[in-house]
Amino acid sequence: EIVLTQSPATLSLSPGERATLSCRASQSVTNYLAWYQQKPGQPPRLLIYDASDRATGIPPRFSGSGSGTDFTLTISSLEPEDFAVYYCQQRSGWPPVSSFGPGTKVDI
Amino acid sequence: QVQLVESGGGLVKPGGSLRLACAASGFTFSDYFFSWIRQAPGRGLEWISSISYSGTDIWYADSMQGRFTISRDNSKNSLYLQMNSLRADDTAVYYCARDLRYGSYYFDSWGQGTLVTVSS
Repeated sequence: EIVLTQSPATLSLSPGERATLSCRASQSVTNYLAWYQQKPGQPPRLLIYDASDRATGIPPRFSGSGSGTDFTLTISSLEPEDFAVYYCQQRSGWPPVSSFGPGTKVDI
Repeated sequence: QVQLVESGGGLVKPGGSLRLACAASGFTFSDYFFSWIRQAPGRGLEWISSISYSGTDIWYADSMQGRFTISRDNSKNSLYLQMNSLRADDTAVYYCARDLRYGSYYFDSWGQGTLVTVSS
C-alpha cells in the first residue's frame, strides 16, 4: 500500500504570497498524482492531475510538479479564495487502488 | 451542467445496513467510471471503490472489501453503494465522484455528499 505524506500540515501565509505544498509517496507513483482543494462544507475540487496538468477552469497561479515520489503544488500568488485544505491523491497498481494524503491547510 | 446528487444517508445502528444512491445528470452517465469516497468528520479523504462503464470491473480499498458493494444502473443514470455490517468508524460523509477519463481515478466532478452516522 502506497502512503502519501503531506507537509507542512499547516501553512500560514498572507494574500499575495507564494505557497509551496509538498506531497511525498512511500514508493514511486510515476506521475499518477492529483491535487484537490477543499473548502469547509464543500466537496473537493480537482486542481491538478498527472502531477502537472491543470484541470478545466483552474487558474494558472496553480501549478504542479514532480514525479516518482516527490511532488509539489505551488500557488504563485495567494488570492483570498485560496485559503483552504489541499489534498494530494495517487492511483497505482493493478488492480488499481487509490489513496489520499492527510492534507495541508493553507490559512491566513 | 454536470450534477451528482447523493441520497440514502442517515442514522443507523452498529451492525446495520444502508444503501446510498447517486443520481447523475447533465452528461452521458455510461461514458464514465465512477467512485465512492468518504470523509470522516474533521478528517481526510478515503477512497472506497470504483466501477467501470458497464459495471463489469469493480475495485475496492482493502479495508472495504466484503462489507461494501458498488453498483450502477446506466438506464437510471445512477450509482449505488450497499453498506453492510456498519461500524462506528464508518461514520462519514460519503461522496460519489466522476472519473476524469478512463480508469484515471482523477475525480473531476463530485456530489455534495450524504452523511452516514453509525451509532446506537
